[in-house]
Amino acid sequence: GDSVTQTEGPVTVSESESLIINCTYSATSIAYPNLFWYVRYPGEGLQLLLKVITAGQKGSSRGFEATYNKETTSFHLQKASVQESDSAVYYCALYMGYKLTFGTGTSLLVDP
Amino acid sequence: GPKVLQIPSHQIIDMGQMVTLNCDPVSNHLYFYWYKQILGQQMEFLVNFYNGKVMEKSKLFKDQFSVERPDGSYFTLKIQPTALEDSAVYFCASSLAPASQDTQYFGPGTRLLVL
Repeated sequence: GDSVTQTEGPVTVSESESLIINCTYSATSIAYPNLFWYVRYPGEGLQLLLKVITAGQKGSSRGFEATYNKETTSFHLQKASVQESDSAVYYCALYMGYKLTFGTGTSLLVDP
Repeated sequence: GPKVLQIPSHQIIDMGQMVTLNCDPVSNHLYFYWYKQILGQQMEFLVNFYNGKVMEKSKLFKDQFSVERPDGSYFTLKIQPTALEDSAVYFCASSLAPASQDTQYFGPGTRLLVL
């Protein structure tokens, strides 16, 4: 079936440092699923951070960006300079057919 | 942004009893979803619901599970009877259009513990 694999957490980064959270996917029924990054801040529901539906395109939001790479089936999340408020759990996901398939989540802690 | 609420936030129940998890979706949304996340594992799709009907469901959506949205109020997930393996966090989501076209908005989850 479809699957998403992402960096195992927890990941700890100092404020103003760069961040990369890796995500690779496997989609069995179609070649180019829609790809997403969701984020869950403490005590809140999952929120969409960014999405990309076209292979080769880049999505960005709140300083984060991710590029849909169909050759490597990857969708890594990057940020050049993290802030303490970015501490959260990040989920990579793909949408295909009728459902979202999620990775296990990567907990990010940003040290002030 | 739009908020999805879930009630209760935590529920402890004895195995074999019935439990109802409540979701208050975004007010004008038409499509509703439940996901299940067992501790340490990924969040997995259970079911989606539109126009009073289950549209798709996964193999995790056992016969003991049912969903409904009576009178356009809460979107509920009922488990009857509960089993130990039902212990998990259950997330509700809603969207205005089908998930292929529109963003799903998620609630904070209900943590269910079956003893």
